[in-house]
Amino acid sequence: TQLLEQSPQFLSIQEGENLTVYCNSSSVFSSLQWYRQEPGEGPVLLVTVVTGGEVKKLKRLTFQFGDARKDSSLHITAAQPGDTGLYLCAGATGSARQLTFGSGTQLTVLP
Amino acid sequence: EAGVTQFPSHSVIEKGQTVTLRCDPISGHDNLYWYRRVMGKEIKFLLHFVKESKQDESGMPNNRFLAERTGGTYSTLKVQPAELEDSGVYFCASSRHRGRGETQYFGPGTRLLVL
Repeated sequence: TQLLEQSPQFLSIQEGENLTVYCNSSSVFSSLQWYRQEPGEGPVLLVTVVTGGEVKKLKRLTFQFGDARKDSSLHITAAQPGDTGLYLCAGATGSARQLTFGSGTQLTVLP
Repeated sequence: EAGVTQFPSHSVIEKGQTVTLRCDPISGHDNLYWYRRVMGKEIKFLLHFVKESKQDESGMPNNRFLAERTGGTYSTLKVQPAELEDSGVYFCASSRHRGRGETQYFGPGTRLLVL
């Protein structure tokens, strides 16, 4: 059973601060996706990374896939209150198409 | 392009009753997935359809759960009889392609409460 450990579970910061969310596993994933979920809604895809060492940027968000494809990080620069939400990482293996989800990071950015 | 839709958005039933959840995937998406998040736990995979065929149902918790996708369009997930531990949020997701970088698009979920 693949497990994705996501940390921290909760994060409360002031507007303008930087933060990093981590997603770690002992398993190798063929791809890893980051989602953001708002209350009452389903997860919305932010990015998919597929290559070891890959770095993708989405405005103030930077996503990195580890060289061994076992871990990933999400870094937010100059966080804003609109970034508040539940951030989820999810990995897919080469054989199965199902996603294995991390437990999520609840981010609160205070104005 | 319309997103994945799910019905109902909420359902409150009593233990022992039957509930049927429906998912309409994005048009043209052959892959359809069901996931579930129970209280305090991470989102977990239930099963995967490719068109009308069950590709992987390794995540189905027991035989009280029955999923169908007749005609390869919408899917239903029936829980009969429902138990207290079935409470949670049931998500449906769909994707067009398979392989590395496959993107799954999620619906808003059905919040099920079994009393």
